[in-house]
Amino acid sequence: GEDVEQSLFLSVREGDSSVINCTYTDSSSTYLYWYKQEPGAGLQLLTYIFSNMDMKQDQRLTVLLNKKDKHLSLRIADTQTGDSAIYFCAEGTGANNLFFGTGTRLTVIP
Amino acid sequence: DAMVIQNPRYQVTQFGKPVTLSCSQTLNHNVMYWYQQKSSQAPKLLFHYYDKDFNNEADTPDNFQSRRPNTSFCFLDIRSPGLGDAAMYLCATSRVLEETQYFGPGTRLLVL
Repeated sequence: GEDVEQSLFLSVREGDSSVINCTYTDSSSTYLYWYKQEPGAGLQLLTYIFSNMDMKQDQRLTVLLNKKDKHLSLRIADTQTGDSAIYFCAEGTGANNLFFGTGTRLTVIP
Repeated sequence: DAMVIQNPRYQVTQFGKPVTLSCSQTLNHNVMYWYQQKSSQAPKLLFHYYDKDFNNEADTPDNFQSRRPNTSFCFLDIRSPGLGDAAMYLCATSRVLEETQYFGPGTRLLVL
């Protein structure tokens, strides 16, 4: 079955770049996603990438996909305290077929 | 603004006392989902509706039921909550063939 793995914790200093990593097992994934969850809140879609792309950039966010290694990363440039949250990687073949990782808790140190 | 709304945001119930959580959407999406998320875990899909067609995940306990009276509303009923059912419950919506789901803010359920 599908398996999506992430490291549980990441701490960075304010202003540095953060890199959150994810590995997945399903080679038939069509889309790979990053969601952000702030304390006590729902999941907010940050960005997603088609499996035939290897990079997507959106302002401070850069997504890199290595399809051969089934590795996805999210880079946040100039990390701010407001970026402190849990970041979930997810993969799937469409909206009705998402599998989430366990999330990476990002702590930004002022 | 088009959105997914969940009420209440916090719900306290007693062990064994039925409870209903509510989700509504103004996005006019035809698919609605319910997830359970326990602390430090990934959201776990319980079931989803494609229009009026109900799709239950194989490992969703019978204690969990759902109703979708119309396109806008979907309810999660927990018939006899146990202590292990304390969690955040997330509602999400999507269109068929769309790339992703849109989530509500969640309802945190506490079982005493």
